[in-house]
Amino acid sequence: GAGVSQTPSNKVTEKGKYVELRCDPISGHTALYWYRQSLGQGPEFLIYFQGTGAADDSGLPNDRFFAVRPEGSVSTLKIQRTERGDSAVYLCASSFSGAAYEQYFGPGTRLTVT
Amino acid sequence: KQEVTQIPAALSVPEGENLVLNCSFTDSAIYNLQWFRQDPGKGLTSLLLIQSSQREQTSGRLNASLDKSSGRSTLYIAASQPGDSATYLCAVLGDSGYALNFGKGTSLLVTP
Repeated sequence: GAGVSQTPSNKVTEKGKYVELRCDPISGHTALYWYRQSLGQGPEFLIYFQGTGAADDSGLPNDRFFAVRPEGSVSTLKIQRTERGDSAVYLCASSFSGAAYEQYFGPGTRLTVT
Repeated sequence: KQEVTQIPAALSVPEGENLVLNCSFTDSAIYNLQWFRQDPGKGLTSLLLIQSSQREQTSGRLNASLDKSSGRSTLYIAASQPGDSATYLCAVLGDSGYALNFGKGTSLLVTP
């Protein structure tokens, strides 16, 4: 079946602009996660959704970052007033609910802020 | 805070060699540990998942072990091939039950 998809695959934007990154999880997966991977680093947790609600957004770096999942499926990560330090690969993952379930990752969106 | 360390950071081996990648973590209260593969510019492909109650998992030429009490895992790759060249990431699922904590990865190059 279809895996996790993310769009766009690449996004180049100017400092100060607003961007939206989209994640389409595997059908039937109620849990959805966003991670950020900077160059040479492992991914870092940003936010976790259980259904429509953000169960834990403690990994979001500041209030310029926000994520939604209004219908419990597709999620959008929104970044306001982008900064060069936001440049990274943003990864989305989904899973069935419960700690024992494997997280399946999408291909990521490479964001470059110039 | 859970810290995950992977050694070595980079490794180059000739084709056919068996090799071991190491992962250590500071908090033994984990649900599971996963090994991922990441090709340049790509997302993460899950290789093996070991639940906290398990000692090892095997898939083809890959074998991963887990010693939760000592905070260590190893990924053993038998008879390495050039197609195994990639970055290998170790991640532990800690007591949050949902946030994976990743190491920085081991960059593997298998030369023909």
